[in-house]
Amino acid sequence: QQQVKQSPQSLIVQKGGISIINCAYENTAFDYFPWYQQFPGKGPALLIAIRPDVSEKKEGRFTISFNKSAKQFSLHIMDSQPGDSATYFCAASALRGTYKYIFGTGTRLKVLA
Amino acid sequence: NAGVTQTPKFQVLKTGQSMTLQCAQDMNHNSMYWYRQDPGMGLRLIYYSASEGTTDKGEVPNGYNVSRLNKREFSLRLESAAPSQTSVYFCASSAYTGVGGELFFGEGSRLTVL
Repeated sequence: QQQVKQSPQSLIVQKGGISIINCAYENTAFDYFPWYQQFPGKGPALLIAIRPDVSEKKEGRFTISFNKSAKQFSLHIMDSQPGDSATYFCAASALRGTYKYIFGTGTRLKVLA
Repeated sequence: NAGVTQTPKFQVLKTGQSMTLQCAQDMNHNSMYWYRQDPGMGLRLIYYSASEGTTDKGEVPNGYNVSRLNKREFSLRLESAAPSQTSVYFCASSAYTGVGGELFFGEGSRLTVL
């Protein structure tokens, strides 16, 4: 019940295309859903996050869509660029006060020039 | 502005050897975490420390011990290394003590156990 399932495992997109990564969770107590971006040889860094009281959050070319009833959320990267090539992790926070973040298995995105 | 600093960056051990991974943060964060990253497995929480003086197990604590030395430092110890512990280890910290705190990660420590 603590799992966060992420798909696809890898994704290749042409420059200018839309990249879509999906995540699903089981634990209805999760109430914070961040996405982290990781470049090779570096640690993950927060990209964008959403709370379940909204269905969508947009920051520049990055958008999170959230479907509370389906317990799913997704990351959309519009006008994908070669510089977006990285590994993306979705995550969910557990119950308030436990300080634990459960991560998905990651999606390796490659944007072709 | 260092953020989260991990040492060493690379280490090769033989089965049965012990070692300690060091982590320090200079952001005055309350919470600190140790994760391991393996291909196809994502980031899995080993141990975390919600605040100075407290530690708790994560998803995969077996074979590891931790020490929250002070507010800045959180170390991870492998007492008797096994090949299954070959991984990239990330330390992270967070300012918030509730839900929604951004995790700041170090650059990782790549450990190989032969």
